[in-house]
Amino acid sequence: DIQMTQSPSSLSASVGDRVTITCRASQSINSYLNWYQQKPGKAPKLLIFAASSLQSGVPSRFSGSGSGTDFTLTISSLQPEDFATYYCQQSYSTPRITFGPGTKVDIK
Amino acid sequence: QVQLVQSGAEVKKPGSSVKVSCKSSGGTFSSYVISWVRQAPGQGIEWMGGIIPVFGTANYAQKFQGRVTITTDGSTDTAYMELSSLTSEDTAVYYCAREAVTRGVNYFDYWGQGTLVTVSS
Repeated sequence: DIQMTQSPSSLSASVGDRVTITCRASQSINSYLNWYQQKPGKAPKLLIFAASSLQSGVPSRFSGSGSGTDFTLTISSLQPEDFATYYCQQSYSTPRITFGPGTKVDIK
Repeated sequence: QVQLVQSGAEVKKPGSSVKVSCKSSGGTFSSYVISWVRQAPGQGIEWMGGIIPVFGTANYAQKFQGRVTITTDGSTDTAYMELSSLTSEDTAVYYCAREAVTRGVNYFDYWGQGTLVTVSS
């Protein structure tokens, strides 16, 4: 199975901060990388698919980049509703997809 | 608007089985893969398996092979996930999710609300 890692595992930030989360795959996955946001007690929500495509309805402050093994999710100006846990997910080995361990973003 | 509505929370004894349902509305149920993932308390997300309703064939994660069965009922646009031989390590929230494809990349665009399964003696 393709292993996914994320860094950092958690971070503290303030409203208005620029936040960057990194995701790394154990082998090249081209651009088969998606990002999700999850709030406590809720299902994950798709933010970015195919590494850099913004899902409909997602604010433009979210952006994704990368290809191969290294990817980033950037929040350009953190808003109060963005405090959540973020997961990357590879679909290169569909149907055997795997998720990263998550990055928790909380309030400084 | 697509909606996936799952069945309610379950409490099960070790060694028993659980069957969770996921009813779809507002979309073309048969054409999309429906996957099941789970999330143990405070843990990450784990893919269990998926099915394409129009074909009725399922794929399962190696970890759950022989213990999980995913089926669909086209007459009610409902998917089911049955997990057997439950242990306390199966205590988790189970989600169904619809898998869309764009430019060859699969992703989960719609999710059920989750079903908490608690395994306890």
